[in-house]
Amino acid sequence: GAGVSQSPRYKVAKRGQDVALRCDPISGHVSLFWYQQALGQGPEFLTYFQNEAQLDKSGLPSDRFFAERPEGSVSTLKIQRTQQEDSAVYLCASSLNWGGQVYNEQFFGPGTRLTVL
Amino acid sequence: GENVEQHPSTLSVQEGDSAVIKCTYSDSASNYFPWYKQELGKRPQLIIDIRSNVGEKKDQRIAVTLNKTAKHFSLHITETQPEDSAVYFCAASNEAGNTPLVFGKGTRLSVIA
Repeated sequence: GAGVSQSPRYKVAKRGQDVALRCDPISGHVSLFWYQQALGQGPEFLTYFQNEAQLDKSGLPSDRFFAERPEGSVSTLKIQRTQQEDSAVYLCASSLNWGGQVYNEQFFGPGTRLTVL
Repeated sequence: GENVEQHPSTLSVQEGDSAVIKCTYSDSASNYFPWYKQELGKRPQLIIDIRSNVGEKKDQRIAVTLNKTAKHFSLHITETQPEDSAVYFCAASNEAGNTPLVFGKGTRLSVIA
């Protein structure tokens, strides 16, 4: 079956431009996570959703970052007025979220590599 | 919040030897510890995970051990092969893995043929 997909795979933006990154989770997955991965580093949490509810956005670096998942499926991460320090790979992950004693794997997408010039 | 430390940052082994990567975590509430493998330019992929009610788990050449008292867990790869070369990340989370993962900084493993 189809895994998590992200688009675009690569994005080059001039400083100050707005960008929108899309994530298509695995069908039926309830939880959706956004991570930022700087070069040579581990992924760092940005925000996550359970269905359409954004449960935690404490990892968003500034108010220029905004995420939404209006219908509980596809999610978009938007970055306004991009800065050079926003250059990174943005990873999306989804999990089935059965709750209880079931531990659920987070499946990652291929990421969007954002370069801000 | 949770903090995960991972060592070493780079590791080179001869083909056929074993590789061990170690992680420590700070939050005693963490109960789910996955390991991800990431090849260059690819997505992270889960290779093994362990829950806090288990001390060890094995899957063919890969094993993970967990010491809750000391708050550390380790990945063991035996009979390494060149295709094991990649960056490996440990992670931790609470609430049954349905909350955000906190990752270590990664270990770049090189298996020399």
